[in-house]
Amino acid sequence: DSGVTQTPKHLITATGQRVTLRCSPRSGDLSVYWYQQSLDQGLQFLIQYYNGEERAKGNILERFSAQQFPDLHSELNLSSLELGDSALYFCASSTTAGTGDSPLHFGNGTRLTVT
Amino acid sequence: AQSVTQLGSHVSVSEGALVLLRCNYSSSVPPYLFWYVQYPNQGLQLLLKYTTGATLVKGINGFEAEFKKSETSFHLTKPSAHMSDAAEYFCAVSLTGTASKLTFGTGTRLQVTL
Repeated sequence: DSGVTQTPKHLITATGQRVTLRCSPRSGDLSVYWYQQSLDQGLQFLIQYYNGEERAKGNILERFSAQQFPDLHSELNLSSLELGDSALYFCASSTTAGTGDSPLHFGNGTRLTVT
Repeated sequence: AQSVTQLGSHVSVSEGALVLLRCNYSSSVPPYLFWYVQYPNQGLQLLLKYTTGATLVKGINGFEAEFKKSETSFHLTKPSAHMSDAAEYFCAVSLTGTASKLTFGTGTRLQVTL
């Protein structure tokens, strides 16, 4: 058990809809990262928050947004969903702002299916 | 900027055989290197990491990796494969500093056959 909790485990929704994915980081970790994993794109970094502030942006679409709350949990919002957004979305956490030599601790992911 | 290349998207070995998963990195400064494993329907789990010091790094489940600066490689090995090793393995690289990010390779799926 990594200590990172993601909910829900599965999400099925229709095109054009909006969903929210939730992540609770490991106790004591201040950084939260969001990754998208799909068969054709592999593991793609989306965005990172550190202690409530956006720290780094990766290949995140404008239709996607995220935030980290004062209690350090994070939410990833996906809107105007398209079939191609179907993927496994992972949250990871770490203690530091930069990854450096600190490993990331991953949750078990949310599998999103857009129909 | 940094990057990693994993040679071979699929590797198949017999149970008891040597496991060798290849990873080459590109970095302008000394990197930190990681191997993660992903079992079906689970998140990624750290196998081992190289930061500084000893170039041969031992990880969990009998895996080890050797950092070879001259070859810019960080290959993962295990002397004897077990059925439970079947999973996807990701090599990753990070640099120092508070702005550093972890960059993953495309992954290698390991199949273990009887």
